[in-house]
Amino acid sequence: SQQGEEDPQALSIQEGENATMNCSYKTSINNLQWYRQNSGRGLVHLILIRSNEREKHSGRLRVTLDTSKKSSSLLITASRAADTASYFCATSKTGANNLFFGTGTRLTVIP
Amino acid sequence: SAVISQKPSRDICQRGTSLTIQCQVDSQVTMMFWYRQQPGQSLTLIATANQGSEATYESGFVIDKFPISRPNLTFSTLTVSNMSPEDSSIYLCSAYGQLYGYTFGSGTRLTVV
Repeated sequence: SQQGEEDPQALSIQEGENATMNCSYKTSINNLQWYRQNSGRGLVHLILIRSNEREKHSGRLRVTLDTSKKSSSLLITASRAADTASYFCATSKTGANNLFFGTGTRLTVIP
Repeated sequence: SAVISQKPSRDICQRGTSLTIQCQVDSQVTMMFWYRQQPGQSLTLIATANQGSEATYESGFVIDKFPISRPNLTFSTLTVSNMSPEDSSIYLCSAYGQLYGYTFGSGTRLTVV
């Protein structure tokens, strides 16, 4: 299976704290993306990092990528209750266009 | 980015029946995909919908159970055939275009009773 692994499976933090989620994958990739899903609905694209990039920022989001370890992390700073959702990493394999998703992290931000 | 209209958003179906899910994209896309998300699980790719030809299925998914059509670049359907309670899942379509990357539909929540 191409599916990646994420940890933790679930994370509960207080509003204002930072949340860090990790993703590991198995094959060579073209890029890695992070998505958010609210209540089992459609996915919202958060950020994309290419295989030749090591770090990327977007607002309160910071993503790192270590291709030697086949891992990525997503940091959400100054969390808000509205950040409560499931977060998935997804990889695009070199030469292919379909995405392979990680197992997901369920984040709960307590007001 | 592109916008995908997916319908129905949810349905409750009797076992043994079939349901067809539709996805319409508002932009030209290169690729369209169908995913399944079982309760509490991640997304699993069912197939890549190919325009004007048979879809490319992933291991564990077959055309007889999940027939897919893509008559043009911006429209695709997925049928869940001869449903059983194990087919209860969220089904999502996705589109890829070089200009905007990946976009997902809002999903179809299927319950089979």
